Amino acid sequence: QKEVEQDPGPLSVPEGAIVSLNCTYSNSAFQYFMWYRQYSRKGPELLMYTYSSGNKEDGRFTAQVDKSSKYISLFIRDSQPSDSATYLCAMMRDSSYKLIFGSGTRLLVRP
Amino acid sequence: EAGVAQSPRYKIIEKRQSVAFWCNPISGHATLYWYQQILGQGPKLLIQFQNNGVVDDSQLPKDRFSAERLKGVDSTLKIQPAKLEDSAVYLCASSLGVGTGVSTLQETQYFGPGTRLLVL
Repeated sequence: QKEVEQDPGPLSVPEGAIVSLNCTYSNSAFQYFMWYRQYSRKGPELLMYTYSSGNKEDGRFTAQVDKSSKYISLFIRDSQPSDSATYLCAMMRDSSYKLIFGSGTRLLVRP
Repeated sequence: EAGVAQSPRYKIIEKRQSVAFWCNPISGHATLYWYQQILGQGPKLLIQFQNNGVVDDSQLPKDRFSAERLKGVDSTLKIQPAKLEDSAVYLCASSLGVGTGVSTLQETQYFGPGTRLLVL
């Protein structure tokens, strides 16, 4: 079993839709949770990070962490074609800086 | 602020040949990471340096892969000899990496564009 599971998609939505991206994990030691966006032929860039449980909002993006269910989500409101990319969740334990990535979900926002 | 630089961007080699990748991290970043990203998968950490010392190389196939970070700045990753399954994007990332474990902001990893390797 992989430490971090993520549906590869692709997920295709019309412009303006609310997008929900999710990851599940098995290691209860994870404390830091990140979402990276990766455009084609580019390196990942950090979108949001959350420590422990709870919600965090940044503009059109909301990250949620439910440690009791070992489940994290990223919501994108009013999605735009420029949001079309692969979204990678990543997690880190408190005592280590080693990031464990999910396999990524490909998102396509249709104009 | 300049980002993480990597070269070359693309490389095609025959199996059993050797190849080397170069990375220049963001100025002032103490920690440098090399990741392997196979098509359709997330990045997998190969090796992590803190300044010029190795912090974690548990997933580096040491029989064929080597990496160094002389003077605690630039780094090179080498594969010798290459296998077909080494075809992937090799990503370099860097972070401030002050090592306190207090704030993930300090540990935020900034990625370069990657080197796309194809082994034939």
